[in-house]
Amino acid sequence: GENVEQHPSTLSVQEGDSAVIKCTYSDSASNYFPWYKQELGKRPQLIIDIRSNVGEKKDQRIAVTLNKTAKHFSLHITETQPEDSAVYFCAASIERYSTLTFGKGTMLLVSP
Amino acid sequence: NAGVTQTPKFQVLKTGQSMTLQCAQDMNHNSMYWYRQDPGMGLRLIYYSASEGTTDKGEVPNGYNVSRLNKREFSLRLESAAPSQTSVYFCASSLKYFGPGTRLLVL
Repeated sequence: GENVEQHPSTLSVQEGDSAVIKCTYSDSASNYFPWYKQELGKRPQLIIDIRSNVGEKKDQRIAVTLNKTAKHFSLHITETQPEDSAVYFCAASIERYSTLTFGKGTMLLVSP
Repeated sequence: NAGVTQTPKFQVLKTGQSMTLQCAQDMNHNSMYWYRQDPGMGLRLIYYSASEGTTDKGEVPNGYNVSRLNKREFSLRLESAAPSQTSVYFCASSLKYFGPGTRLLVL
């Protein structure tokens, strides 16, 4: 089955800096890659997703890149703010089979 | 439009007790999922239902059963709770929307 590795497990940045979280996946058939943000005590919330026919997608301060050849994808957050502090999860899916495999998460801490 | 709802929010059980976690969605999605979240383990799929009338095992199904009652509702049952089932349980609808979670403590 699919295996998703996520790094780093924790990431501390200063407000205004950029943050990058990286994930690798094992199944070359995976074609859907969402990212979730989970604040303490809250539910995971989808923040951005990308499909395998696209190499990059942006939404304001966040962007996701995908390298299908290397089987890795990354989340980029620019101009970080304290409210970006949360745990971020990547996931991979073969969409036709309709299940997600999650990475173990990255705790992002943004200091003012 | 409530999205995905779960009941109860919190529950304490004794070892061997049974309970059912309820989940409902009002977005007319075909697929629904049950995950458990444990510290350092991310989200692990317990069971899922790709469409009404079908259910399938995920990564960690042992000790659980599910029922897809109709398109809106997908319940998770613990027949004989064990301390290893202490966790936060999330229901999800489609691949995108999560419920608020149920925090379960088994003593």
